[in-house]
Amino acid sequence: AQSVTQPDIHITVSEGASLELRCNYSYGATPYLFWYVQSPGQGLQLLLKYFSGDTLVQGIKGFEAEFKRSQSSFNLRKPSVHWSDAAEYFCAVGTISNFGNEKLTFGTGTRLTIIP
Amino acid sequence: DTGVSQDPRHKITKRGQNVTFRCDPISEHNRLYWYRQTLGQGPEFLTYFQNEAQLEKSRLLSDRFSAERPKGSFSTLEIQRTEQGDSAMYLCASSSHSGHLYEQYFGPGTRLTVT
Repeated sequence: AQSVTQPDIHITVSEGASLELRCNYSYGATPYLFWYVQSPGQGLQLLLKYFSGDTLVQGIKGFEAEFKRSQSSFNLRKPSVHWSDAAEYFCAVGTISNFGNEKLTFGTGTRLTIIP
Repeated sequence: DTGVSQDPRHKITKRGQNVTFRCDPISEHNRLYWYRQTLGQGPEFLTYFQNEAQLEKSRLLSDRFSAERPKGSFSTLEIQRTEQGDSAMYLCASSSHSGHLYEQYFGPGTRLTVT
């Protein structure tokens, strides 16, 4: 069965500093990988996704992620964070069930705090 | 495109009561999902509809839970005889069969508190 591990529960970064959020996945086949962001009291917004091809993917809000098959990782990065980036970030792996359900399996999330 | 909407946003109920939540997906989306998110956890899949057909249910969805999607439009999630363990955020998402694979759009969620 597929699973996602986000080893960092909480990260604090100074505004303007670089950011890297870690994500490791477990899945037998080629994974479809995603990063979502959730602001307090809000639903999830898709930041970026990886299906195939170039292992460095660009997303919205200046985020990027790199797929490394050898490390089973899909880490999220941003060169310079803004106070508005403070939120909860979720990594997810996608699979297709026998019912055609494009099921997402999420990690437990990393809460990002930005300090001035 | 007004996005996925959910109603109510917050619900407080006493243990043993029944509650019903509503989700309105993006109008042209034929796929609809329900997820549950407890504190400190990521969303967990509950059930999936393609048009009006409920095609998959997680084992998390006990007999007290029922979901419908009449006419393939809005969906409702009902919890009967609520328990304190049902306290969570219930998220709805929708996607289009003709759209990008896995591009699920999430609503703001309904936060349920069972006292």
